[in-house]
Amino acid sequence: NAGVTQTPKFQVLKTGQSMTLQCAQDMNHEYMSWYRQDPGMGLRLIHYSVGAGITDQGEVPNGYNVSRSTTEDFPLRLLSAAPSQTSVYFCASAERGAALHFGNGTRLTVT
Amino acid sequence: AQSVTQPDIHITVSEGASLELRCNYSYGATPYLFWYVQSPGQGLQLLLKYFSGDTLVQGIKGFEAEFKRSQSSFNLRKPSVHWSDAAEYFCAVGAIDDYKLSFGAGTTVTVRA
Repeated sequence: NAGVTQTPKFQVLKTGQSMTLQCAQDMNHEYMSWYRQDPGMGLRLIHYSVGAGITDQGEVPNGYNVSRSTTEDFPLRLLSAAPSQTSVYFCASAERGAALHFGNGTRLTVT
Repeated sequence: AQSVTQPDIHITVSEGASLELRCNYSYGATPYLFWYVQSPGQGLQLLLKYFSGDTLVQGIKGFEAEFKRSQSSFNLRKPSVHWSDAAEYFCAVGAIDDYKLSFGAGTTVTVRA
């Protein structure tokens, strides 16, 4: 099993550009989520999904969109990147009643 | 609202010495508590979790944590640290079957020879 796979590992964007961060899991987990990690702030929840076709907002959803068309994939879209979105992004998944499994992260810089 | 406080931003410990990382949480119901570890450039790895039962929980890599409801704490301990324990440690709280975890800001552990 590959676990939770995130691509790309690194990305540099200019302000106003759009992009999609990819996340895939091969564990058939119902739950998937996106967090951002900023120094001194821990991880903050952006969006999450409890199953295919179902998504909801977390603590810091503004500027991000998600969709969940399959159990395996949960992409995160930045529609118009801003410098405040410079961060490390983590995707996670979990089965019912279990702990989150995290990917290795995507480091995004917006200039 | 749920929240987690890790009072220590940075801890330096000598190799072979004991380590204790503090975690205080705020949660309205029975909490589901976690400790994760993050090595540089890596994702988060689960060290241990607590939901119910014995309040002293054993995890991987020789770590343990004790849940104290009266103090709203879930401190992480290791009797003898190794150089490979240098990393950032995160405490998190949530509810069983509600995966919206709240994370603390993290504690960075430096191990000196």
